[in-house]
Amino acid sequence: SQTIHQWPATLVQPVGSPLSLECTVEGTSNPNLYWYRQAAGRGLQLLFYSVGIGQISSEVPQNLSASRPQDRQFILSSKKLLLSDSGFYLCAWSRGGRLAEAFFGQGTRLTVV
Amino acid sequence: RKEVEQDPGPFNVPEGATVAFNCTYSNSASQSFFWYRQDCRKEPKLLMSVYSSGNEDGRFTAQLNRASQYISLLIRDSKLSDSATYLCVVIRAGNNRKLIWGLGTSLAVNP
Repeated sequence: SQTIHQWPATLVQPVGSPLSLECTVEGTSNPNLYWYRQAAGRGLQLLFYSVGIGQISSEVPQNLSASRPQDRQFILSSKKLLLSDSGFYLCAWSRGGRLAEAFFGQGTRLTVV
Repeated sequence: RKEVEQDPGPFNVPEGATVAFNCTYSNSASQSFFWYRQDCRKEPKLLMSVYSSGNEDGRFTAQLNRASQYISLLIRDSKLSDSATYLCVVIRAGNNRKLIWGLGTSLAVNP
């Protein structure tokens, strides 16, 4: 069966510090991978998605970047965090080759102070 | 107008009640539809897919109305544990296919 791991679960970082969130998927190959952000009481905002190694599509201009160094690894990064980067970050995967339902990791609750 | 719209609620219902949510979508070429459940401060979890013929899973029934461009979720015999936010998702067809998320409908089932 497929599983998705995302860590850490919570993170408190000072303004201006770097960020690296990692997500890995097991039990499938060539998945579509996604990073979402959800502000408190708000909907899901798609940040990045990837259909293969090194292929990243950015949905909104922002202070963040994403990389996919391996087939089942997706990393969200920032060089300098802003207060507005606080939120609930969710990694998700769906079956590659077609657009299908997505399955989420546990999420990372990031607070920038 | 948002591409996928849901009544945010909250819906407050007593245990045992039947409750229904609708979700409207604006792109007539949308091809796949899903309902997710999200508990407070947790990740969304797939509840069920929505098929043209409608589908049922225990107390939950999902239906698709392509003519009126909406999907629905019916919950029978509500339990306290059904309290959550219910998100609808639509997959847009064509060259710009992607998952489009509604903002969710909040349900509170009260004892």
